[in-house]
Amino acid sequence: DGGITQSPKYLFRKEGQNVTLSCEQNLNHDAMYWYRQDPGQGLRLIYYSQIVNDFQKGDIAEGYSVSREKKESFPLTVTSAQKNPTAFYLCASSIVGGHTDTQYFGPGTRLTVL
Amino acid sequence: QKEVEQNSGPLSVPEGAIASLNCTYSDRGSQSFFWYRQYSGKSPELIMFIYSNGDKEDGRFTAQLNKASQYVSLLIRDSQPSDSATYLCAVMSGGSYIPTFGRGTSLIVHP
Repeated sequence: DGGITQSPKYLFRKEGQNVTLSCEQNLNHDAMYWYRQDPGQGLRLIYYSQIVNDFQKGDIAEGYSVSREKKESFPLTVTSAQKNPTAFYLCASSIVGGHTDTQYFGPGTRLTVL
Repeated sequence: QKEVEQNSGPLSVPEGAIASLNCTYSDRGSQSFFWYRQYSGKSPELIMFIYSNGDKEDGRFTAQLNKASQYVSLLIRDSQPSDSATYLCAVMSGGSYIPTFGRGTSLIVHP
Protein backbone atom coordinates (compact mmCIF):
# COMPACT_ATOMS: atom_id res chain seq x y z
CA ASP A 1 0.00 0.00 0.00
CA GLY A 2 1.24 3.45 -0.87
CA GLY A 3 1.08 6.11 1.75
CA ILE A 4 2.71 8.27 4.38
CA THR A 5 3.68 6.90 7.76
CA GLN A 6 4.56 8.84 10.87
CA SER A 7 5.98 7.53 14.09
CA PRO A 8 5.51 7.48 16.92
CA LYS A 9 1.79 8.17 17.21
CA TYR A 10 2.25 9.65 20.69
CA LEU A 11 5.45 11.17 22.06
CA PHE A 12 6.26 12.60 25.44
CA ARG A 13 9.15 14.97 25.95
CA LYS A 14 10.77 16.19 29.11
CA GLU A 15 11.92 19.77 29.45
CA GLY A 16 15.28 20.30 27.73
CA GLN A 17 15.09 17.20 25.56
CA ASN A 18 15.39 17.00 21.80
CA VAL A 19 13.02 14.58 20.13
CA THR A 20 12.78 13.39 16.53
CA LEU A 21 9.56 12.64 14.68
CA SER A 22 9.72 10.26 11.77
CA CYS A 23 7.98 10.69 8.41
CA GLU A 24 8.28 8.23 5.52
CA GLN A 25 6.43 8.12 2.20
CA ASN A 26 6.39 5.56 -0.58
CA LEU A 27 4.33 7.62 -3.01
CA ASN A 28 7.42 8.77 -4.94
CA HIS A 29 6.43 12.35 -4.15
CA ASP A 30 8.99 15.07 -4.65
CA ALA A 31 7.99 17.46 -1.89
CA MET A 32 7.50 16.86 1.80
CA TYR A 33 6.21 19.16 4.50
CA TRP A 34 5.87 19.47 8.25
CA TYR A 35 2.94 21.26 9.86
CA ARG A 36 1.99 21.99 13.42
CA GLN A 37 -1.64 22.11 14.54
CA ASP A 38 -2.77 23.50 17.87
CA PRO A 39 -6.33 23.08 19.22
CA GLY A 40 -8.77 25.25 17.30
CA GLN A 41 -6.02 26.47 15.01
CA GLY A 42 -5.21 25.93 11.39
CA LEU A 43 -2.13 24.27 10.02
CA ARG A 44 1.12 26.18 10.38
CA LEU A 45 4.05 25.30 8.14
CA ILE A 46 7.30 24.47 9.90
CA TYR A 47 9.62 23.27 7.11
CA TYR A 48 9.30 21.97 3.58
CA SER A 49 11.53 20.27 1.07
CA GLN A 50 11.16 20.01 -2.68
CA ILE A 51 14.21 17.85 -3.38
CA VAL A 52 16.73 15.73 -1.55
CA ASN A 53 19.35 17.64 0.45
CA ASP A 54 17.39 20.88 0.21
CA PHE A 55 14.76 22.32 2.54
CA GLN A 56 13.23 25.67 3.35
CA LYS A 57 11.92 27.29 6.51
CA GLY A 58 8.21 27.77 6.82
CA ASP A 59 6.35 30.25 8.98
CA ILE A 60 7.35 28.84 12.38
CA ALA A 61 10.76 27.15 11.93
CA GLU A 62 12.37 28.43 15.13
CA GLY A 63 13.16 25.60 17.52
CA TYR A 64 12.86 22.92 14.84
CA SER A 65 15.29 21.24 12.46
CA VAL A 66 14.91 18.82 9.55
CA SER A 67 16.95 16.77 7.12
CA ARG A 68 16.20 15.30 3.69
CA GLU A 69 18.85 12.71 2.95
CA LYS A 70 16.46 10.43 1.08
CA LYS A 71 13.47 11.20 -1.10
CA GLU A 72 11.28 8.97 1.05
CA SER A 73 12.19 10.40 4.44
CA PHE A 74 11.84 13.81 6.10
CA PRO A 75 12.41 13.60 9.90
CA LEU A 76 11.65 16.56 12.14
CA THR A 77 13.61 17.30 15.32
CA VAL A 78 11.96 19.36 17.99
CA THR A 79 14.79 20.96 19.92
CA SER A 80 14.88 22.27 23.46
CA ALA A 81 14.80 25.78 21.95
CA GLN A 82 11.15 25.26 21.05
CA LYS A 83 9.46 26.66 24.12
CA ASN A 84 5.93 25.41 23.56
CA PRO A 85 6.17 22.18 21.55
CA THR A 86 2.98 20.49 22.74
CA ALA A 87 0.93 20.09 19.55
CA PHE A 88 -0.23 17.74 16.82
CA TYR A 89 2.46 17.36 14.15
CA LEU A 90 1.49 16.49 10.61
CA CYS A 91 3.73 15.40 7.77
CA ALA A 92 2.53 15.75 4.18
CA SER A 93 3.84 15.08 0.71
CA SER A 94 2.98 16.07 -2.83
CA ILE A 95 4.05 15.85 -6.44
CA VAL A 96 5.53 19.12 -7.66
CA GLY A 97 4.83 20.42 -11.13
CA GLY A 98 2.19 17.89 -12.02
CA HIS A 99 -1.42 18.49 -12.94
CA THR A 100 -2.18 18.67 -9.28
CA ASP A 101 0.13 19.52 -6.39
CA THR A 102 -2.31 18.10 -3.86
CA GLN A 103 -0.91 17.46 -0.42
CA TYR A 104 -1.57 14.16 1.27
CA PHE A 105 -1.14 13.81 5.01
CA GLY A 106 0.26 11.18 7.30
CA PRO A 107 -1.63 10.12 10.45
CA GLY A 108 0.20 12.60 12.68
CA THR A 109 2.25 12.54 15.88
CA ARG A 110 0.89 14.03 19.07
CA LEU A 111 3.71 15.51 21.14
CA THR A 112 3.25 16.36 24.79
CA VAL A 113 5.77 18.08 27.03
CA LEU A 114 5.83 16.72 30.56
CA GLN B 1 0.03 38.10 3.55
CA LYS B 2 -2.17 35.51 1.88
CA GLU B 3 -5.29 34.85 3.92
CA VAL B 4 -7.90 32.15 3.80
CA GLU B 5 -10.97 32.76 5.93
CA GLN B 6 -13.52 30.25 7.16
CA ASN B 7 -16.29 30.59 9.69
CA SER B 8 -15.19 28.47 12.63
CA GLY B 9 -18.76 27.33 13.35
CA PRO B 10 -20.01 25.03 14.55
CA LEU B 11 -22.42 24.65 11.69
CA SER B 12 -25.24 22.41 12.82
CA VAL B 13 -27.54 20.73 10.29
CA PRO B 14 -30.09 17.92 10.58
CA GLU B 15 -29.45 14.57 9.01
CA GLY B 16 -30.45 14.56 5.35
CA ALA B 17 -30.05 18.30 4.89
CA ILE B 18 -27.56 20.15 2.69
CA ALA B 19 -24.54 21.52 4.53
CA SER B 20 -22.91 24.58 2.97
CA LEU B 21 -19.35 25.46 3.93
CA ASN B 22 -17.73 28.64 2.71
CA CYS B 23 -14.21 29.91 2.28
CA THR B 24 -12.87 33.26 1.09
CA TYR B 25 -9.32 34.06 0.07
CA SER B 26 -7.31 37.22 -0.39
CA ASP B 27 -4.84 36.37 -3.17
CA ARG B 28 -6.32 37.03 -6.61
CA GLY B 29 -3.53 34.92 -8.12
CA SER B 30 -4.85 31.77 -6.46
CA GLN B 31 -5.36 28.93 -8.89
CA SER B 32 -5.88 25.70 -6.95
CA PHE B 33 -8.44 25.09 -4.23
CA PHE B 34 -8.77 22.09 -1.93
CA TRP B 35 -11.21 20.83 0.65
CA TYR B 36 -10.05 18.50 3.42
CA ARG B 37 -12.06 16.75 6.10
CA GLN B 38 -10.51 16.26 9.53
CA TYR B 39 -12.09 14.10 12.18
CA SER B 40 -11.27 14.90 15.77
CA GLY B 41 -7.79 13.62 16.64
CA LYS B 42 -7.07 12.52 13.08
CA SER B 43 -5.17 13.96 10.14
CA PRO B 44 -6.78 15.83 7.24
CA GLU B 45 -7.99 13.77 4.30
CA LEU B 46 -8.60 15.21 0.87
CA ILE B 47 -12.22 15.43 -0.24
CA MET B 48 -11.77 17.21 -3.54
CA PHE B 49 -9.97 19.93 -5.43
CA ILE B 50 -11.13 22.47 -8.00
CA TYR B 51 -9.32 24.70 -10.45
CA SER B 52 -11.95 26.16 -12.73
CA ASN B 53 -14.85 28.49 -12.06
CA GLY B 54 -18.12 26.72 -11.57
CA ASP B 55 -19.16 23.50 -9.92
CA LYS B 56 -17.41 20.19 -9.50
CA GLU B 57 -19.36 17.24 -8.20
CA ASP B 58 -18.13 14.03 -6.57
CA GLY B 59 -20.82 11.89 -5.05
CA ARG B 60 -22.58 13.83 -2.30
CA PHE B 61 -19.98 16.60 -2.43
CA THR B 62 -20.00 19.64 -4.71
CA ALA B 63 -17.27 22.26 -4.76
CA GLN B 64 -18.16 25.67 -6.14
CA LEU B 65 -15.56 28.21 -7.21
CA ASN B 66 -16.08 31.88 -7.99
CA LYS B 67 -12.73 33.54 -8.69
CA ALA B 68 -14.24 36.95 -9.34
CA SER B 69 -15.72 37.02 -5.85
CA GLN B 70 -12.78 35.10 -4.37
CA TYR B 71 -14.72 32.38 -2.65
CA VAL B 72 -14.95 28.64 -2.79
CA SER B 73 -17.65 26.58 -1.15
CA LEU B 74 -18.36 22.95 -0.38
CA LEU B 75 -21.88 21.56 -0.42
CA ILE B 76 -22.64 18.24 1.24
CA ARG B 77 -25.95 16.77 0.17
CA ASP B 78 -27.90 14.27 2.27
CA SER B 79 -25.69 15.03 5.28
CA GLN B 80 -24.97 12.09 7.58
CA PRO B 81 -23.80 12.04 11.22
CA SER B 82 -20.55 10.54 9.89
CA ASP B 83 -19.95 13.85 8.06
CA SER B 84 -19.49 15.56 11.43
CA ALA B 85 -15.92 16.84 11.30
CA THR B 86 -13.87 19.95 10.71
CA TYR B 87 -13.55 20.98 7.07
CA LEU B 88 -10.38 22.75 5.99
CA CYS B 89 -10.13 24.95 2.94
CA ALA B 90 -6.71 25.28 1.29
CA VAL B 91 -5.71 27.68 -1.46
CA MET B 92 -2.62 27.60 -3.64
CA SER B 93 -1.30 30.49 -5.71
CA GLY B 94 -0.09 30.11 -9.24
CA GLY B 95 3.57 29.12 -9.37
CA SER B 96 3.55 27.92 -5.76
CA TYR B 97 3.22 24.42 -4.41
CA ILE B 98 2.64 25.57 -0.84
CA PRO B 99 -1.05 25.95 0.06
CA THR B 100 -2.45 28.35 2.62
CA PHE B 101 -4.93 26.70 4.95
CA GLY B 102 -7.94 28.20 6.62
CA ARG B 103 -8.64 27.41 10.27
CA GLY B 104 -11.53 25.14 9.36
CA THR B 105 -15.27 24.99 9.93
CA SER B 106 -16.71 22.53 12.41
CA LEU B 107 -19.76 20.70 11.04
CA ILE B 108 -22.20 18.84 13.27
CA VAL B 109 -24.86 16.67 11.64
CA HIS B 110 -27.49 15.70 14.21
CA PRO B 111 -29.90 12.77 13.80
